[in-house]
Amino acid sequence: QVQLQESGPGLVKPSETLSLICSVSGGSITSSTYYWGWIRQPPGKGMEWIANFYYGGNPYYNPSLKSRVTISTDTSENQFSLRLTSVTAADTAVYYCARRSDAYGDFYDYWGHGTLVTVSS
Amino acid sequence: DIVMTQSPDSLAVSLGERATINCKSSQTVLSSSNNMNYLAWYQHKPGQPPKLLISWASTRDSGVPDRFTGSGSGTSFTLTISSLQAEDVAVYYCQQYFSFPGTFGQGTKLEIK
Repeated sequence: QVQLQESGPGLVKPSETLSLICSVSGGSITSSTYYWGWIRQPPGKGMEWIANFYYGGNPYYNPSLKSRVTISTDTSENQFSLRLTSVTAADTAVYYCARRSDAYGDFYDYWGHGTLVTVSS
Repeated sequence: DIVMTQSPDSLAVSLGERATINCKSSQTVLSSSNNMNYLAWYQHKPGQPPKLLISWASTRDSGVPDRFTGSGSGTSFTLTISSLQAEDVAVYYCQQYFSFPGTFGQGTKLEIK
């Protein structure tokens, strides 16, 4: 069974760059069957879709974050990463990585537990 | 972006009773080309990853008990738990994936009365 695990700093200073890694086990991120994505949930608010990709294709980014977000992969480690630049307090959230297995619908069947990132000086 | 609004924000139901959670979208999520509703439901228990319950408005994911039923079309959807079990205590979210980017409801917290 596929498992996803987020990791990264829990505290980032304003204006700096947030970097998170999603480690995947039980499935390969290079499989063309799946998309892999990032979703976040600010405290007390609803979830926000950030970005996704499938291996070998172009990534998709939320237009509201597109200028600051980058997804990358490390196939040797079966990991993918999120990079969010110029963070502010509004980027404080629990960040989840997740897998999409449906070819036509952008919903997610496996999620990580999430990692809280606080933006504060 | 399509705005998803859930009601109620919280709900307390007795064990064995029916629980109903509503989700409304600001625009239709029904595709005229394939007559499918692009709507998913998730269950999120404390300390656990969110779990996909239902996709395409009414299709249960593998292993989801049949007491969970998704219904509705267009802009109005419902998640029904026919007979509440203790393990169903969680926050439930709807998500539309008809329009890019996908958007989520604010969540409904379900508790035992």
